[in-house]
Amino acid sequence: AQTVTQSQPEMSVQEAETVTLSCTYDTSENNYYLFWYKQPPSRQMILVIRQEAYKQQNATENRFSVNFQKAAKSFSLKISDSQLGDTAMYFCAFMKATWYAGNNRKLIWGLGTSLAVNP
Amino acid sequence: EPEVTQTPSHQVTQMGQEVILRCVPISNHLYFYWYRQILGQKVEFLVSFYNNEISEKSEIFDDQFSVERPDGSNFTLKIRSTKLEDSAMYFCASREAGATEEQYFGPGTRLTVT
Repeated sequence: AQTVTQSQPEMSVQEAETVTLSCTYDTSENNYYLFWYKQPPSRQMILVIRQEAYKQQNATENRFSVNFQKAAKSFSLKISDSQLGDTAMYFCAFMKATWYAGNNRKLIWGLGTSLAVNP
Repeated sequence: EPEVTQTPSHQVTQMGQEVILRCVPISNHLYFYWYRQILGQKVEFLVSFYNNEISEKSEIFDDQFSVERPDGSNFTLKIRSTKLEDSAMYFCASREAGATEEQYFGPGTRLTVT
């Protein structure tokens, strides 16, 4: 069975600074996806960034980037130039890659890291 | 931009009562999911639904739970006889057809069983 671990329940960062959120996972699968979802207070979860395990290049989306270390089963999220709007709960999630139609593609979640960006 | 919506935002019910949580997925999506998060615990997968049938369910999704897509737009989760341990935030998600992996989430329904 797959598991996802986020060891930092809470973090804080000053506006404009850089912060890194940690995530490790355990799986015997070779093909999978990893995600970071953001949940602002009282709002729905939205996808921040995703990484395909078969890609060696780390994913980047504007100020958000990941450090994907497949051998170490580590998937950290770096937020550069932090903004007040980045204040949210951040969830790391795993999805087994399957290629048949109708596959369910369920997400396996970490416990989350609550990030506060301070002015 | 299309969004997944969920109603109600908060539901309080007594133990043993039936509840129905409602979700309206994004209109062209074909895959639907329910997850739940008990306070202080991880988000857990409950069930996935595709082509009008359950494609996978977790151990949590026992006979007390059922899902339905009654009218082509709503996607409901029914708990027949609620228990105290069913108190949680319930999230609905949907995904479009094809190889896309992204699931779009609703804001959740907080269920409190007293």
